[in-house]
Amino acid sequence: DAGVTQSPTHLIKTRGQQVTLRCSPISGHKSVSWYQQVLGQGPQFIFQYYEKEERGRGNFPDRFSARQFPNYSSELNVNALLLGDSALYLCASSSRDYRVETQYFGPGTRLLVL
Amino acid sequence: RKEVEQDPGPFNVPEGATVAFNCTYSNSASQSFFWYRQDCRKEPKLLMSVYSSGNEDGRFTAQLNRASQYISLLIRDSKLSDSATYLCVVKKGNNDMRFGAGTRLTVKP
Repeated sequence: DAGVTQSPTHLIKTRGQQVTLRCSPISGHKSVSWYQQVLGQGPQFIFQYYEKEERGRGNFPDRFSARQFPNYSSELNVNALLLGDSALYLCASSSRDYRVETQYFGPGTRLLVL
Repeated sequence: RKEVEQDPGPFNVPEGATVAFNCTYSNSASQSFFWYRQDCRKEPKLLMSVYSSGNEDGRFTAQLNRASQYISLLIRDSKLSDSATYLCVVKKGNNDMRFGAGTRLTVKP
């Protein structure tokens, strides 16, 4: 079975541009979460979506937005890119929205903002 | 203060050594606890969940002390393949998982 997939794998943008990252969860999983991992740090929670609704939001500015589609895939959008947005963006899926539920991570999208 | 704090590392140990990692968390409402492993330039992968009673998986033992808000991971008989960054993870009611910065382990021949 395919795991979590993300696209693109790498991306280079310049300051002020906008970027869209994509994620397909494991088949049957309805929850998708997004994380930002800056070099040398652990992943930081950005958003969680379950059944197409936002169920959680981390401490990120409004430049960050996301959505989930009927097939449970998800997009993360970042507007007005800053140098500090350079990071590995990870998507994780799980089958449920609550309690002890293992999250499975995709390989991530490496974003470099110049 | 960070929500999840880990030993800064790095830990450099010889094969066969026993190594222990510590982690503290600040939110007493945290409900679930995990250790993830992350290899260089790869995604995090679940190593094991952590239960109040303590749990073991082969060479790995995890402990949780809710009163002290402390989590530990013990690796016995270290292998070269154990070299990675170990992330302590704390989860509240939903899937809002808070990661520590990670502790890097290098096991040397």
